[in-house]
Order: sequence, then structure tokens, then C-alpha cells
Amino acid sequence: DAKTTQPTSMDCAEGRAANLPCNHSTISGNEYVYWYRQIHSQGPQYIIHGLKNNETNEMASLIITEDRKSSTLILPHATLRDTAVYYCIVRVAEYGNKLVFGAGTILRVKS
Amino acid sequence: GAVVSQHPSWVICKSGTSVKIECRSLDFQATTMFWYRQFPKQSLMLMATSNEGSKATYEQGVEKDKFLINHASLTLSTLTVTSAHPEDSSFYICSARELAEAYEQYFGPGTRLTVT
Repeated sequence: DAKTTQPTSMDCAEGRAANLPCNHSTISGNEYVYWYRQIHSQGPQYIIHGLKNNETNEMASLIITEDRKSSTLILPHATLRDTAVYYCIVRVAEYGNKLVFGAGTILRVKS
Repeated sequence: GAVVSQHPSWVICKSGTSVKIECRSLDFQATTMFWYRQFPKQSLMLMATSNEGSKATYEQGVEKDKFLINHASLTLSTLTVTSAHPEDSSFYICSARELAEAYEQYFGPGTRLTVT
């Protein structure tokens, strides 16, 4: 699976959009981009995933560049409860394929 | 959404004893379950993958005789830390995937193990 690069930490004001970048320049054509987050002392929570089109759900939007070498997770109106570590992972969506977590980005939402 | 539970949520045990952690999928059948370990201020590290009815596949560097994994049914997997030592103190997290779902892994809330 391709490797990802994320900033170590980011701050965001409550109520503003949080834009979390991820670089995955070696991504293969059949690899998806996944985002998970982990609130302190809890298990990771699935947020969103995509292949090449932009995706949106009730939690977030995922913007993938046309060359697929980078993506951005957008939390449109961040709240204090969105403070967490956000993980960007790329992998092939095949049965049995495992999720390997990198260091992630610590997002601190401040009032 | 699919729910994965873990029991216990935290446990303290003495050095040299064994401790068992359960992972259950509550509303779906999990043909594959994963066990992760997370030390403070670090990311999750995959320990092993287990498929129902077969032996677990361990990641490099993980001792299979120390971390016994049993996936005896489609809703239950257990991790037994044998002869625990203080360095085994960690946050253990399981996740589960059902047969037809290749996209999402559902994570449990984690178990905090402290070995004294």
C-alpha cells in the first residue's frame, strides 16, 4: 500500500472549516483514500473514503486532486468534539486487505 | 451502523499472569477481525489478522505464542496476553469486517491493559 504524508498537527477555530491535507504521491490506480479519526482513548472512527471523485457524507467532504497524488479532508463546521487524530490511509479495497495506520494529524479545535 | 464491543474496557493484572480480551461484533457477522496495539502518543500498530475458523496471521515482530488469538465464531474473537509483563501495558483495539464489506472496518472502543 502507498505511503501517506500528513502534517503533525493543526489548529482550527470552532465553527470554521477544518481542511486536513494528505499527500500520497505513490498511490496506485486501484488504491482508495480512506480517512479515520481517533478521539483520545477511543477506537478509530471511519469518516469517509474515495477513489478519484470527490465525496461527501454527513461528517465530511473528501477532495481528491485530479492526479490523485493528494487529498484534503474537510470538516465544514468544526466543533470542539472534532478534536482528534486524523489518519489518511491508502489501500486497495479488497477483501482481507488490512488498514495500516501512519502517524496522522492532531487536529485541535479551539473556542 | 455496525457496532463492535470489547470487554473489558480496562484491566489491571500482575506480572506473569494471563489476561483475555474479548471482541464482539454485535449486529453483523465478522469473518475477519484485526487486533491492534497502541502505546501512548503513538499510532495504532497492527498485531494480527484473524479469519473465523482458521489460525491468525501475525505481523512481523509479534510473538504468536505470547499473544494468542482465537476467532471461534463469526461474532467473537479473543486476544490472550500470556505471561504479561509491564512492557505489555498498552491500549488494545480490535476491529471487524463482514464478508461482503471490503471497504469499512469497524473498530471497538479499546481495552486499556496495565501490568503491574
